[in-house]
Amino acid sequence: AQSVSQHNHHVILSEAASLELGCNYSYGGTVNLFWYVQYPGQHLQLLLKYFSGDPLVKGIKGFEAEFIKSKFSFNLRKPSVQWSDTAEYFCAVRGSGTYKYIFGTGTRLKVLA
Amino acid sequence: GAVVSQHPSRVICKSGTSVKIECRSLDFQATTMFWYRQFPKQSLMLMATSNEGSKATYEQGVEKDKFLINHASLTLSTLTVTSAHPEDSSFYICSASGDQYTNYGYTFGSGTRLTVV
Repeated sequence: AQSVSQHNHHVILSEAASLELGCNYSYGGTVNLFWYVQYPGQHLQLLLKYFSGDPLVKGIKGFEAEFIKSKFSFNLRKPSVQWSDTAEYFCAVRGSGTYKYIFGTGTRLKVLA
Repeated sequence: GAVVSQHPSRVICKSGTSVKIECRSLDFQATTMFWYRQFPKQSLMLMATSNEGSKATYEQGVEKDKFLINHASLTLSTLTVTSAHPEDSSFYICSASGDQYTNYGYTFGSGTRLTVV
């Protein structure tokens, strides 16, 4: 079955702490991988994406993610979080060449000032 | 660029009435629009895909007659929840793409919180 699993539902960090949010997927075939962020009261925004090439991708606002094919993972990282990173983060998978996203359940991050 | 406007952001309606939600692409032509539903603490679930000028394609388990989708122009898609019931209360999100097989992430609307009382 096709699925995306985000293990951490709620994460609370202090400012300047390092962040890693886990994402594992189950999908037969080549995939495109995405991380989206939803700030309070705002729409989903693309943080970063992976299609091919260097498995370490860098996105906006200092975020990066690493695709580890053997582990079916695409974890999101940021070395030092800020209060403004408080948001909900969604990992998503899409079969290469298809249009349908499969989303994870989201991780709600709260950064304490 | 690539802005999607969704309206209304919140709506409360009485059981048995219908509610229309609009999704507009403001600065690009959206050949394909997607409608999602998000339950509390759950992921976004794709309800249907609509292509401009043709009938929407619904995901398995989604009632076509309850969730009417119209994509009459390249910038507007509407979702009408007909004869709404409390179990239809949810967060509905649209997204739009100018190319069905785009290499970029889709642009999402800000969502509509529907509460049926």
